[in-house]
Amino acid sequence: GQNIDQPTEMTATEGAIVQINCTYQTSGFNGLFWYQQHAGEAPTFLSYNVLDGLEEKGRFSSFLSRSKGYSYLLLKELQMKDSASYLCAVKDSNYQLIWGAGTKLIIKP
Amino acid sequence: GAVVSQHPSWVICKSGTSVKIECRSLDFQATTMFWYRQFPKQSLMLMATSNEGSKATYEQGVEKDKFLINHASLTLSTLTVTSAHPEDSSFYICSATSGGHTEAFFGQGTRLTVV
Repeated sequence: GQNIDQPTEMTATEGAIVQINCTYQTSGFNGLFWYQQHAGEAPTFLSYNVLDGLEEKGRFSSFLSRSKGYSYLLLKELQMKDSASYLCAVKDSNYQLIWGAGTKLIIKP
Repeated sequence: GAVVSQHPSWVICKSGTSVKIECRSLDFQATTMFWYRQFPKQSLMLMATSNEGSKATYEQGVEKDKFLINHASLTLSTLTVTSAHPEDSSFYICSATSGGHTEAFFGQGTRLTVV
């Protein structure tokens, strides 16, 4: 079956750096996405990786290793507004998005 | 960026009634729209995929006669929850894609409460 694993919850301090990991096992691979979802709201797109390596976008970076079925989202200079759930999703061979359960990130002052 | 508008944001209905949720792509033509359901503290669960002008493809376990999906145009898809029951209470989210975009764009979501 298809499976995406990410930690359920993480806690970090304002101003610090946090890395959220995601491992996946899917039937085919057509890209990996990271989305941010605040409670009661729809997800918003953060990043997309289809080739191995690091994609940097401001305070957020995303890394992909296809051979390891692994990705991480790196958040720098954490702000209180970064408290949210972070969802990892993979497009499989049918171009369907398979979603992880999300990592709830708690930022403490 | 592309905008997807979902309406209503929240709705409370009586058990046994039907509720229609609209999903519109405002500034692009959505060739494919997706409907998701999300229970508290759980992942997004795909319910169905719809392409404009054709019947929706439902995921296993989703009753197509209960969750009616219509995608009559490239900018509008609707989900109707028929004969709603309290266990249908959930957060319903639509998303849309087109050939020109890599990522999917999400509507604001609809919080459905059936009493």
